[in-house]
Amino acid sequence: EIVMTQSPATLSVSPGERATLSCRASQSVSNSLAWYQQNPGQAPRLLIYGASTRATGIPARFGGSGSGTEFTLTISSLQSEDFAVYYCQQYSNWPLAFGGGTKVEI
Amino acid sequence: QVQLVQSGAEVKKPGASVRVSCKASGYSFTSCYIHWVRQAPGQRLEWMGWINPVNGNTRYSQKFQGRVTLTRDTSASTAYMELTSLTSEDTGLYYCARDYFGSAYNYFDPWGQGTLITVSS
Repeated sequence: EIVMTQSPATLSVSPGERATLSCRASQSVSNSLAWYQQNPGQAPRLLIYGASTRATGIPARFGGSGSGTEFTLTISSLQSEDFAVYYCQQYSNWPLAFGGGTKVEI
Repeated sequence: QVQLVQSGAEVKKPGASVRVSCKASGYSFTSCYIHWVRQAPGQRLEWMGWINPVNGNTRYSQKFQGRVTLTRDTSASTAYMELTSLTSEDTGLYYCARDYFGSAYNYFDPWGQGTLITVSS
């Protein structure tokens, strides 16, 4: 079973700044990695799949990179609506597995 | 627009069962697998399983195997998740989510609004 580890648990940034979130897999998942955003009281929303492909309607300030076991989600210039919790998810192996999340706060 | 609407919150006693519904609209229900994901308090998201609405085929996480059953009613464009032998550890938000591209690509969007299941004596 693959374990996904996200860091940091909490990231404090200011609006307009760049945010870099990390996700590590306990074994290689190739590029089978997705990122989600969850705002308080809402369901998660797909941001990135295939490690680097933005889902439909996702702004270009969200970027994903990495392969194998190390992945990064970068938000180039934080907007107020970007302060949320972000989860990574691997879909290379069963069972599908999520990371513990990174909370991006002001 | 594509939307998944789930049934309302439930309170159950330990040992009971619960069934949650997930009604799809805005797309052809049989074109995309439906997944179920749990979010327990203080825990990470957990994938429970998927159902193929075309033929009812399912795949379950081993963690929930034997306690979860996914079904669907194509005439109602609705998927169902039943969880049995509930314990307090089953308390949490349960989401249905559509497979993004259809056939078990295994990442999800959109998601339903979530159904809160509380297990308490």
